[in-house]
Amino acid sequence: DIVMTQSPGSLAVSLGERATINCKSSQSVLYISNNKNYLAWYQQKPRQPPKLLIYWASTRESGVPDRFSGSGSGTDFTLTISSLQAEDVAVYYCQHYFSTPWTFGQGTKLEIK
Amino acid sequence: QVTLRESGPALVKPTQTLTLTCTFSGFSLSTSGMCVSWIRQPPGKALEWLALIDWDDDKYYSTSLKTRLTISKDTSKNQVVLTMTNMDPVDTATYYCARIPAAGYYFDYWGQGTLVTVSS
Repeated sequence: DIVMTQSPGSLAVSLGERATINCKSSQSVLYISNNKNYLAWYQQKPRQPPKLLIYWASTRESGVPDRFSGSGSGTDFTLTISSLQAEDVAVYYCQHYFSTPWTFGQGTKLEIK
Repeated sequence: QVTLRESGPALVKPTQTLTLTCTFSGFSLSTSGMCVSWIRQPPGKALEWLALIDWDDDKYYSTSLKTRLTISKDTSKNQVVLTMTNMDPVDTATYYCARIPAAGYYFDYWGQGTLVTVSS
């Protein structure tokens, strides 16, 4: 199974500042034939289901604010929130869908400093 | 619009079999590329993918749980059913169903989840 490791486990950022969350996969999730990284990011607020933010490592889901961006390739990926808003307080998860079984990272808890 | 809703017992006893139903609308599981998956989340812990069924009735399971899981679909009822045998207190979790679009194996729509507690 591909293991997804997120860092840090928790993060406190001031409003308006940048937040960066990292995700590392134990093997590459880049499919060479189509040059796509099979990596998604989700946001989960308390008592809510996860919400898809980013897929194909860098494609923003419809309706997601453009302060959210995804980058990276192969085994190393980053979710960046360019200017933190109060409503961004949540736990963030990465997930690969390169091959079965699909696996998630352990989550990164984002709080306001 | 796309919606999914999980239903099933809130409480099961150890060793019992859990049966959960995902009832969805806004898409068809007979559409090529479409899939529905189950994911769970123990209280305060991370998400864990469990199983997936696709439009062609192919099924995929978590490596660690595959001997205990069965996923099936009833396309005419827009339902996907997950059974998990030999339930244990460590299986206490919120169980979610989610849609996978034809474009890729990420989860674009989720149900609200159903909390299942395993206790005698």
